[in-house]
Amino acid sequence: SQKIEQNSEALNIQEGKTATLTCNYTNYSPAYLQWYRQDPGRGPVFLLLIRENEKEKRKERLKVTFDTTLKQSLFHITASQPADSATYLCAPDTGRRALTFGSGTRLQVQP
Amino acid sequence: IAGITQAPTSQILAAGRRMTLRCTQDMRHNAMYWYRQDLGLGLRLIHYSNTAGTTGKGEVPDGYSVSRANTDDFPLTLASAVPSQTSVYFCASSPQGLAGEGETQYFGPGTRLLVL
Repeated sequence: SQKIEQNSEALNIQEGKTATLTCNYTNYSPAYLQWYRQDPGRGPVFLLLIRENEKEKRKERLKVTFDTTLKQSLFHITASQPADSATYLCAPDTGRRALTFGSGTRLQVQP
Repeated sequence: IAGITQAPTSQILAAGRRMTLRCTQDMRHNAMYWYRQDLGLGLRLIHYSNTAGTTGKGEVPDGYSVSRANTDDFPLTLASAVPSQTSVYFCASSPQGLAGEGETQYFGPGTRLLVL
């Protein structure tokens, strides 16, 4: 069956370091993959979309990679700040009209 | 109104009662969605609507119904609430209903529902 895996354990890092979050998927062949940020008590907010032929996408301090051979996307936040603390969700496209989300990884950036 | 609004913000409901969660968007998006979010399970699609007048079932539709009488509103109804429907419910929209093909989804703030 189709599956999206994100590390359920929280990632704790020091301010200024690079945070790397992983999204693995099985039994999908997504043409796109989206990343969302979710703060406690709020709805998810779109961050980045990467296409299968893009390999890497950047937006300010954010970088996403997409390896269709490994069936994996990595989400990087460079020069992390306490304000980056949130849960990050990946959503590979499934060819259907709605998104399918991973359960998310909580990032905690310590000052 | 800016974006998507949901009401109520939170609700405690007795099992067996009927409840409608409201969702309104002002972005003139064609597609709207209802998700539930449970700890460890992520967001799961309940129902969706590609355009006014049409609806479809998502991953977990049982016990829920929706209607889409116009572009802006997409209410979710629990006909007879059960404790397993305790969750946080998010409404979302996307411009053309192609979220599964790379289109961004926009989410509301959520409704926290506790069914006792």
